[in-house]
Amino acid sequence: AQSVTQLDSQVPVFEEAPVELRCNYSSSVSVYLFWYVQYPNQGLQLLLKYLSGSTLVKGINGFEAEFNKSQTSFHLRKPSVHISDTAEYFCAIRGSTLGRLYFGRGTQLTVWP
Amino acid sequence: NAGVTQTPKFQVLKTGQSMTLQCAQDMNHNSMYWYRQDPGMGLRLIYYSASEGTTDKGEVPNGYNVSRLNKREFSLRLESAAPSQTSVYFCASRGQGMTEQYFGPGTRLTVT
Repeated sequence: AQSVTQLDSQVPVFEEAPVELRCNYSSSVSVYLFWYVQYPNQGLQLLLKYLSGSTLVKGINGFEAEFNKSQTSFHLRKPSVHISDTAEYFCAIRGSTLGRLYFGRGTQLTVWP
Repeated sequence: NAGVTQTPKFQVLKTGQSMTLQCAQDMNHNSMYWYRQDPGMGLRLIYYSASEGTTDKGEVPNGYNVSRLNKREFSLRLESAAPSQTSVYFCASRGQGMTEQYFGPGTRLTVT
């Protein structure tokens, strides 16, 4: 079975500060991991994904994530956030059945001026 | 190329009413999915369709039915709406051999 846990439901930060959104996963099979972003009143947009290979994955909008197998984590980071990064962020793991995704409960990132 | 489209964007129903949420994709994807999003719960899978003519239950299928009308369209039906079905509903699709899903803009449903 697969599952993800997002450790923080809300993360407030000031503009230009670094941010880390934490995600831990559980899986009994090969791991495909994703981070999606949802801007207010919009659908989900893929930020980045880990399939295999390099454990540091770069995505859109300056975000990156590191896959850590020993700690079963896939934390999302950005060195300097902008107000426009205010959104909800979802970590997801792909299940073994027909590509279905299992989502975490989401982390609301709020960037203050 | 519109991607994944959903109609309607908003809907208010009374308890016991029925309605169908429509989803279409123009990316020639085989697999399609319906999720519901509730505050603090993330997205939960209602039903999915691996290919035209097949559908399977997800985590929370009770109270819903689906139809994979053709390769493009995947509809979600509420036969007798309940307040517990107040939610935002997202449709997604995935192409053969692809790993990620592409999401529509969502339908915000309120059942009173």
